[in-house]
Amino acid sequence: KAGVTQTPRYLIKTRGQQVTLSCSPISGHRSVSWYQQTPGQGLQFLFEYFSETQRNKGNFPGRFSGRQFSNSRSEMNVSTLELGDSALYLCASSDDRTNTGELFFGEGSRLTVL
Amino acid sequence: EDKVVQSPLSLVVHEGDTVTLNCSYEVTNFRSLLWYKQEKKAPTFLFMLTSSGIEKKSGRLSSILDKKELFSILNITATQTGDSAIYLCAVLEYGNKLVFGAGTILRVKS
Repeated sequence: KAGVTQTPRYLIKTRGQQVTLSCSPISGHRSVSWYQQTPGQGLQFLFEYFSETQRNKGNFPGRFSGRQFSNSRSEMNVSTLELGDSALYLCASSDDRTNTGELFFGEGSRLTVL
Repeated sequence: EDKVVQSPLSLVVHEGDTVTLNCSYEVTNFRSLLWYKQEKKAPTFLFMLTSSGIEKKSGRLSSILDKKELFSILNITATQTGDSAIYLCAVLEYGNKLVFGAGTILRVKS
């Protein structure tokens, strides 16, 4: 079974630009959540999607948004990039049917904002 | 505000030593507590703990949860250099939201 796939793995943007990151969950998983990891703040929850609906949202500004498609693939978008948005963005999927709560992480997309 | 606190933040041990990593939490909608190991890539799942007092074991690693005192420990016995990593404790809230601690950086010297 393929794991969680994130694309792109690395990208460089400049301030003011916008970026879209993609996440394909493990087959059969309908819950996809996104996290930002930085050296200063650690891993912080961005949002979670289940069956195309945002179920939960962290404390990030409105520049951070996401969506989920009918095939459970998810995208997150960051608009008007700031230097502080440089981070590793991790996507995690889980199988709500088993109710184990275990989340499986992708390799992440490393964003550098110049 | 929900928070998860891990200690120590970092430690250096020699191969063969036993280490204990600590995790305390204050979270409103507790569902379970998870431990992850992160090397250079994505966090990999170690344990999920839901009930107090029941030890989970996997090889040289074990973990236990105390829901009354709101903490968990992760033990690693007979450490190896391959155990060097960041160990992350996280509390899973309802809605699949994980609240992470800052992590413990473990370095095992040969």
